[in-house]
Amino acid sequence: GAVVSQHPSWVICKSGTSVKIECRSLDFQATTMFWYRQFPKQSLMLMATSNEGSKATYEQGVEKDKFLINHASLTLSTLTVTSAHPEDSSFYICSARDQRGTDTQYFGPGTRLTVL
Amino acid sequence: GENVEQHPSTLSVQEGDSAVIKCTYSDSASNYFPWYKQELGKRPQLIIDIRSNVGEKKDQRIAVTLNKTAKHFSLHITETQPEDSAVYFCAASITGFQKLVFGTGTRLLVSP
Repeated sequence: GAVVSQHPSWVICKSGTSVKIECRSLDFQATTMFWYRQFPKQSLMLMATSNEGSKATYEQGVEKDKFLINHASLTLSTLTVTSAHPEDSSFYICSARDQRGTDTQYFGPGTRLTVL
Repeated sequence: GENVEQHPSTLSVQEGDSAVIKCTYSDSASNYFPWYKQELGKRPQLIIDIRSNVGEKKDQRIAVTLNKTAKHFSLHITETQPEDSAVYFCAASITGFQKLVFGTGTRLLVSP
């Protein structure tokens, strides 16, 4: 149980294009999902908290117009990197919290984004 | 806000030895402390967690201890095996607020 999937697992795009990453909780409902960014050999940096049916809460320094988050259902959240630039290249990981109220976050496998 | 420090950044041990990773947190309101293991290019996986009403928790070769007064918690791995080699992250959060704050990670290398 408690499986989170992410799609795509990797993507290469040209500078200036937009990329959408999907995060799905497969066997549980998640009122809250989280989006992290991880640079090589570094820790996970929380970008935003995504709540089903409401606007995401962004961490300080994260541009909400650049990283669009939508959490339209209890099993799906999407992150869209708009007008991507090479500095946006990173490993993006989502996590989901079971709505039954435990604190445990289950992580997706991550998406490696490379912007040329 | 919460700040979590983690030490050491790298740890090399021989197979069969014990490994200890320590974390300190700043917010006394934090009451949930998970540990994650991340292998290269893969997702972080929860290996053990502890809540502030408990001082110690053990699961086979892995144990976590918590000192609320000193605001630090530690991961203990006994009888280490090469497959324990990975990056380990501690984290802290306040129940109900959901957000996890991660430590900087410890790269553990277990040599055969």
